Amino acid sequence: EVQLVASGGALVQPGGSLRLSCAASGFNFNVYSMNWVRQTPRGLEWVSYMTSDSRTIYHADSVKGRFTISRDNAKNSLYLQMNSLRDGDTAVYYCVRGYQWAFDYWGQGILVTVSS
Amino acid sequence: QSALTQPPSASASPGQAVTISCTGTSSDVGGYNRVSWYQQHPDKAPRLLIYEVTKRPSGVPDRFSGSKSGNTASLTVSGLQADDEADYYCTSYAGGDNWAVFGGGTKLTVL
Repeated sequence: EVQLVASGGALVQPGGSLRLSCAASGFNFNVYSMNWVRQTPRGLEWVSYMTSDSRTIYHADSVKGRFTISRDNAKNSLYLQMNSLRDGDTAVYYCVRGYQWAFDYWGQGILVTVSS
Repeated sequence: QSALTQPPSASASPGQAVTISCTGTSSDVGGYNRVSWYQQHPDKAPRLLIYEVTKRPSGVPDRFSGSKSGNTASLTVSGLQADDEADYYCTSYAGGDNWAVFGGGTKLTVL
């Protein structure tokens, strides 16, 4: 069974930093691209993408220069380093597996709250 | 990158069919066959229903089908059931480093 378990969500002040982690199991993590997608009351927003070999990385314009996606295939783990956090970054963050230009498995979601 | 446009709500009775639209531009929906659809029940993670416009992952009933014409993609749910009541989101590849753009979501009510 595919499982994606995110951790690291917290309440953080504007301008602060946070690192999300995602532990993957139940599939060969080494061969899949991975993503972070977030959800606010306004809906879903793709945040970051990384290929299986870490060679290609994309970030949404809204987080470019502030967020960094990374992975450790030896540990079956995905990460999202979030710096210079803003109120608008408050959301539930999902760790999501990529498949054929789509998102086929989603983790349970982790809440990040940016507030003073 | 602007979000794709979906109707905020849709409704139909059990057993009927409903179609949800997702309108983009020639830079996203119209430019690639890389549209996918997701179902989300309250307090649950989204679930993939359709990928590459028309393809269904294993385990998704054939009551769910996708199509595309020009810059508009559509999801049709036939033989509506009570459990189909949920939010539905579309997404498309948007070229270059715009890996995905989402629609605003459609709340489907089964009357």
